[in-house]
Amino acid sequence: ETGVTQTPRHLVMGMTNKKSLKCEQHLGHNAMYWYKQSAKKPLELMFVYNFKEQTENNSVPSRFSPECPNSSHLFLHLHTLQPEDSALYLCASRLSGNTIYFGEGSWLTVV
Amino acid sequence: QQQVKQSPQSLIVQKGGISIINCAYENTAFDYFPWYQQFPGKGPALLIAIRPDVSEKKEGRFTISFNKSAKQFSLHIMDSQPGDSATYFCAASLISSGTYKYIFGTGTRLKVLA
Repeated sequence: ETGVTQTPRHLVMGMTNKKSLKCEQHLGHNAMYWYKQSAKKPLELMFVYNFKEQTENNSVPSRFSPECPNSSHLFLHLHTLQPEDSALYLCASRLSGNTIYFGEGSWLTVV
Repeated sequence: QQQVKQSPQSLIVQKGGISIINCAYENTAFDYFPWYQQFPGKGPALLIAIRPDVSEKKEGRFTISFNKSAKQFSLHIMDSQPGDSATYFCAASLISSGTYKYIFGTGTRLKVLA
């Protein structure tokens, strides 16, 4: 248990659907991250938020829309996704040191 | 220049043997090098980490060796156990735009045979 909770753990959505992934941490961390994990690929950094402000958007398509209402919560809003977007989406958080702590991920399948 | 290259892609080791996973990087701005362990259905968990001013760090059966001049670092798992079977990721981090960015390798799937 890392203290980073992601919901839902599994999500199946059609290409025309709109859904959201949620990440919550009660560790007092001030930076939060979204990563995408696909088979045989490195973890791909998507977004970084520092004190609720987005500091990194790694050229992510606009069909992925992040939201960070406060330092404890991070959302990833999904709309009109493609089958190739099917992957494990990992949320992570960090305090002031170098270590980031991952949640268990949300498995997304786009059909 | 932001890549971290990891090898091998998969590794099979007998119980009690030594598992060795290697990583290489290009960007000298990286200043922190963690290794993460991931079991199926779980998120990656920090295993051990090192800074470039240290050549080796050991925690229990896990050791990181770091070669700054070669821009390479490796994870050694001594006395490998079946419970160590997992995917291992190396990573490198640096500060960019006031935020720590972490670049990960492609992962090594380790299987330790009983």
